[in-house]
Formats: sequence, C-alpha cells, structure tokens
Amino acid sequence: DQQVKQNSPSLSVQEGRISILNCDYTNSMFDYFLWYKKYPAEGPTFLISISSIKDKNEDGRFTVFLNKSAKHLSLHIVPSQPGDSAVYFCAASGAGSQGNLIFGKGTKLSVKP
Amino acid sequence: DGGITQSPKYLFRKEGQNVTLSCEQNLNHDAMYWYRQDPGQGLRLIYYSQIVNDFQKGDIAEGYSVSREKKESFPLTVTSAQKNPTAFYLCASISGHWSGELFFGEGSRLTVL
Repeated sequence: DQQVKQNSPSLSVQEGRISILNCDYTNSMFDYFLWYKKYPAEGPTFLISISSIKDKNEDGRFTVFLNKSAKHLSLHIVPSQPGDSAVYFCAASGAGSQGNLIFGKGTKLSVKP
Repeated sequence: DGGITQSPKYLFRKEGQNVTLSCEQNLNHDAMYWYRQDPGQGLRLIYYSQIVNDFQKGDIAEGYSVSREKKESFPLTVTSAQKNPTAFYLCASISGHWSGELFFGEGSRLTVL
C-alpha cells in the first residue's frame, strides 16, 4: 500500500512556463515532506522541504505547498528551464524517523525549449 | 571535496553469487542508509545505521546484509537469497542535525545474469 503517491508519471512543459508536480499521502503521522530531483544514473539531490506546521516554503524558483486537510503537496517551478528536466521524487518522514524516507514513484518532467 | 563514494558503479553477477557494494563517506555523518530503486518505482529503504556497530532493517531487508565497523563505511552485501537483485542501489547519509536533506552517492547498478 503506497503511503506516498505521485499519480503523474510524466509532465511536459514549455520553457518559461510553470511546472506543477503533485504528491498525495495517506499517513497523517508524516511531519516532514521533501522533494528530490534525480538525473539518470545519478543519486537524487535534495531540492526543497516543508514541515507539517507550514503550508508554504519558497526557495528561488521552487515553491512547495502543503494542504494537510487534503493530504496533498505540490511543487511549483517558475519559470521552468530545460535544465529542470529530470525525475522528481516526493518523500515523507514521520517524527523521529529522520532519514527513513518514504518515496513516491516519481514524476518525469520534460521542459521543452 | 566531501561526499559519498559508491563502488562499483556497474556490477554484473551470476545467479547464486553474493556481491558486496561499497559506500564510503567523508562528510563525518553519523547515519547512513541503503536504498534500492527499480524502474518506475520510488526508492525503498533496505538498511540503515545511526551509529557505528549498530544497524536496523528497513522495509525490504530480506536477502541483504550490512556492517558498520567504521563511521565512514557502510557496505551492503546482496546475497543469493535476494530473489530479484537486479536494481539501482543508492547509499545516503545525514548529519546529526536533521535538516531534511539526505546526501546520496551516485549509485551502483547491479545486474544479475
């Protein structure tokens, strides 16, 4: 049973437009949510995170929104750039579990010039 | 430069053979993790270690073994008991202060022939 779901396997966006990647979760005990970016044959790199006590966190072109009542979070990338093309993983952790992250299956983002 | 080094990057194994994947970090991180990624899947936790000489099973530990004799090193052995060992293996670490960021190595791709 998937606790973290990314229902869109892929997303294609034009350069300069907004990319919105979505993630749903089922476990209400999760208290920390993260987004990782991964290129083929490389390890994931941390992008941005949000604590369950917040509903928004922003870092440059990247913003993560958390809707706890809907158990939904989203990553917005504005403006999208071709270098953003990668697989994006949503992940969650519970209190005290630190690096024991539960990952979604990922969404492959393609940003077309 | 500080980081996590995984070796080998590519490994082929015959059925019935054990194989050990190396993971070394010079970040002075306390906790280390092994994840597995299959095509179209998220990352799943195999084993983790929060201190030297101690480690715990993750979600899919069956058929794997680890050791943590030094803070810098966390090797993973894929045994012949692992039913489906072909996958991309990722080692990660975090510092004592959990910031949400797992630092990943570049991964090791194991193929069983």
